[in-house]
Amino acid sequence: DAKTTQPNSMESNEEEPVHLPCNHSTISGTDYIHWYRQLPSQGPEYVIHGLTSNVNNRMASLAIAEDRKSSTLILHRATLRDAAVYYCILRDIIQGAQKLVFGQGTRLTINP
Amino acid sequence: NAGVTQTPKFRILKIGQSMTLQCTQDMNHNYMYWYRQDPGMGLKLIYYSVGAGITDKGEVPNGYNVSRSTTEDFPLRLELAAPSQTSVYFCATQDREQLAKNIQYFGAGTRLSVL
Repeated sequence: DAKTTQPNSMESNEEEPVHLPCNHSTISGTDYIHWYRQLPSQGPEYVIHGLTSNVNNRMASLAIAEDRKSSTLILHRATLRDAAVYYCILRDIIQGAQKLVFGQGTRLTINP
Repeated sequence: NAGVTQTPKFRILKIGQSMTLQCTQDMNHNYMYWYRQDPGMGLKLIYYSVGAGITDKGEVPNGYNVSRSTTEDFPLRLELAAPSQTSVYFCATQDREQLAKNIQYFGAGTRLSVL
């Protein structure tokens, strides 16, 4: 399994940008980079994904390094509702189904 | 559109009891998954299914069984509950037409304690 490395925890202030890093030095050429988040007492929810180019959606932006060995999830203006555990995940295929390999993620705390 | 519905939300079992965790989806997704999450840890795959009548083991299948008789339902069965099965269980679905995007949709989870 291709592995990812994330800081255990990060802290930021409300209405400030947040940059969540992820290292994935063993990524293969066809691996997509996915980000999910898990709010307290809820199931994980999809945030964003990308392959090579930077990506934006209504929730966040994903910046991917040119060598693809690292990426950064960017929350442009954090709110209290963004406090969650954020998971950086690489695609892992098993017989056509797509197992998501979850690490421990980064616990993001947002201060009011 | 309810998405992925899991029942019950909470359950306490005694050692050796059995139970079925229910998962139902209304998105007509072919792929379904069962994960467990132990405290402070990421999720681990228990079983998965690529369609009705087809199931296969994930990383941690011991002590569990599944069936998939319909597209909508993917129940997880614990036959002889053990304290090691105390965990939060999540069901997820995925659209076969968007496999490359690997977007999975999760239920709210079932919190199980075995005492």
